[in-house]
Amino acid sequence: DAGVTQSPTHLIKTRGQQVTLRCSPKSGHDTVSWYQQALGQGPQFIFQYYEEEERQRGNFPDRFSGHQFPNYSSELNVNALLLGDSALYLCASSRGGMNNYGYTFGSGTRLTVV
Amino acid sequence: DQQVKQNSPSLSVQEGRISILNCDYTNSMFDYFLWYKKYPAEGPTFLISISSIKDKNEDGRFTVFLNKSAKHLSLHIVPSQPGDSAVYFCAAISRRGGADGLTFGKGTHLIIQP
Repeated sequence: DAGVTQSPTHLIKTRGQQVTLRCSPKSGHDTVSWYQQALGQGPQFIFQYYEEEERQRGNFPDRFSGHQFPNYSSELNVNALLLGDSALYLCASSRGGMNNYGYTFGSGTRLTVV
Repeated sequence: DQQVKQNSPSLSVQEGRISILNCDYTNSMFDYFLWYKKYPAEGPTFLISISSIKDKNEDGRFTVFLNKSAKHLSLHIVPSQPGDSAVYFCAAISRRGGADGLTFGKGTHLIIQP
């Protein structure tokens, strides 16, 4: 049974560019959350998707947007990249929308902005 | 302003002894707490959780203690094993409403010495 799958594993982008990161949740899970983990920090909540809608959002600017597809997979889009966006982006899946914290995390996408 | 604090960046413990990882929080709205374990190049893995209505939760070698008055929780691992060497994150959330995903600490790197 595959867990959470994220692609790509590593990515290098230039300032000002746009990036799309992808996540396939664990089988049986319908909720996807995205977290940003900067070097030496804990993961920071970006947003959560359930039933193809953004249900919750953390303290991130509108440059960060997302989407959830009918098969529950999700994309994270970041526009106008800044050097400070360099981080590990983690996708976590769970079942049942909000208030279910039995998250399964993927291994992440390492984004480097130069 | 860090709402979840793990003040020990690293901790070294001898194999077979007890490992105690500490976590402090400032937001009195938090009512659910979790511990995650992370190996290099992998996503965080859920370990154990505790609701604010309890003061202890045990799962095998892992026990989490919650002291609400002190806004402090700790994770005890007994006995410590080499495979326990990893980064441990404390996380918290307010389930009563307006939750903005999990709030994580910066992590404690646990090293189990043979």
